[in-house]
Amino acid sequence: DGGITQSPKYLFRKEGQNVTLSCEQNLNHDAMYWYRQDPGQGLRLIYYSQIVNDFQKGDIAEGYSVSREKKESFPLTVTSAQKNPTAFYLCASSPSSRGRTEAFFGQGTRLTVV
Amino acid sequence: QQQVKQSPQSLIVQKGGISIINCAYENTAFDYFPWYQQFPGKGPALLIAIRPDVSEKKEGRFTISFNKSAKQFSLHIMDSQPGDSATYFCAAGDISNFGNEKLTFGTGTRLTIIP
Repeated sequence: DGGITQSPKYLFRKEGQNVTLSCEQNLNHDAMYWYRQDPGQGLRLIYYSQIVNDFQKGDIAEGYSVSREKKESFPLTVTSAQKNPTAFYLCASSPSSRGRTEAFFGQGTRLTVV
Repeated sequence: QQQVKQSPQSLIVQKGGISIINCAYENTAFDYFPWYQQFPGKGPALLIAIRPDVSEKKEGRFTISFNKSAKQFSLHIMDSQPGDSATYFCAAGDISNFGNEKLTFGTGTRLTIIP
C-alpha cells in the first residue's frame, strides 16, 4: 500500500537532547513537508522540500533541522535549541507538479519532553 | 498576507443538522482551497477541495462554498452524523506558482455531533 510512514508514534526526550523523527513515503512524491500541531494553533510549517538535496525553512524553523538525501525520506531533527518541543509532529508529501498539490499526511509523532 | 482565519474554534451540532465552518484569507494569489478532516491521534486527510473558478463544489454530504470577492470559503456538512465528529482544517495554497505550492492552514474547528 502506498502512503507515508512516520516513526515512532510516541517519543520522549530529555531536556538538552536532540531527537530525530522519521518520515518515509512510497508515493513517488517530489515534495515533502513537516508541520507542528499544537492545540488551538492549527498546523504550522517547519520545513519543506521540493526536491532531493534541497529544502526551505517554513514559518517556525528555529530549533529544527532536516535533510533530504533520498526522495523517499525526510527526517526531522528536533535540537536542544528548540525551547518548547512538546507537540504533535506531522509529515506530509505532495506530487508538487503544476495544479496538483494535494497533501497526504502521515499518522504523526507525539513528542514529549520529560 | 499568508494567514487563513478559521471559525468557529469549536462547534456542537445535533445529529441530522447542518454543520458550517468558515474561513477567510488575505493573499489574493491563493488558488486552491482544500478542507482536511482529522480524527484524534491521526494525521489529517483531504476531504474536499475547490479552485476559485467555481463558487460551489459538492461531494456527498460535504459542500464547499467559495466567495472570491469576499475572500471567504466555507464547509457545509449536511445531515451531520456522529461519525463526522472530528477536527476540520481549511487551507489555502498558490498551486500556480510552481515550486511554492505549500499550504497555509487555518487553526482548526473541533466539531462534535450529538445524538
